Amino acid sequence: DVVMTQSPDSLAVSLGETATISCKSSQSVFFHSNNRDYLAWYQQKPGQPPKLLIYWASTRQYGVPDRFSGSGSGTDFTLTISSLQAEDVAIYYCQQYYTTLYTFGQGTRLEIK
Amino acid sequence: EVKLVESGGGLVQPGGSLTLSCAASGFIFTNYHMNWVRQAPGKGLEWLSCIRRDGTTTFYIDSLEGRFTVSRDNARNSIFLQMNSLTAGDTAVYYCVREGDTGSYSRYWGQGALVTVSS
Repeated sequence: DVVMTQSPDSLAVSLGETATISCKSSQSVFFHSNNRDYLAWYQQKPGQPPKLLIYWASTRQYGVPDRFSGSGSGTDFTLTISSLQAEDVAIYYCQQYYTTLYTFGQGTRLEIK
Repeated sequence: EVKLVESGGGLVQPGGSLTLSCAASGFIFTNYHMNWVRQAPGKGLEWLSCIRRDGTTTFYIDSLEGRFTVSRDNARNSIFLQMNSLTAGDTAVYYCVREGDTGSYSRYWGQGALVTVSS
């Protein structure tokens, strides 16, 4: 199975600043035949199901604010949230969908400092 | 509007069985693979199972040890999760999830069904 490891487990960032979350996979999730990384990011707020933010490592889901961005390739990925807003307080998960045991990272809790 | 509505959750005793259902609407059901993901109280997301569009191919995480079975009824736009030999470790919110239009990322999520295994 592909193991997804996020860091940090939690972080506190001031309003208006930038939050950066890392996700590493135990094997590459890059598929050469279509030049794509099979990596997605989700946001989950208390009492709600997760919401898709980013797929193909860097494609923002329609309707997601452009302060959310994804980057990286192969085994190392980053979710960046710029100009942090109070509504961004949530737990963020990465997920690989390269192999059909679509594993998630353990989650990163984002709070306001 | 895409909708996924889970049902069938509840309280079950250890060793018991339960079947979850997920009713889908707002899209062509047979065009998409479907998944089950669970989340234990205060814990992270755990992908459990996938069923392909035609229902003939299924995948499970190893830790389920054959206790869970996913199925779908394309005539009723529904998927199911039959859960047997339940333990306290299976206590979680179970989400029905539809893949995306261009890949198997988790595009749409139901609100979830709570399963509590306790005596």
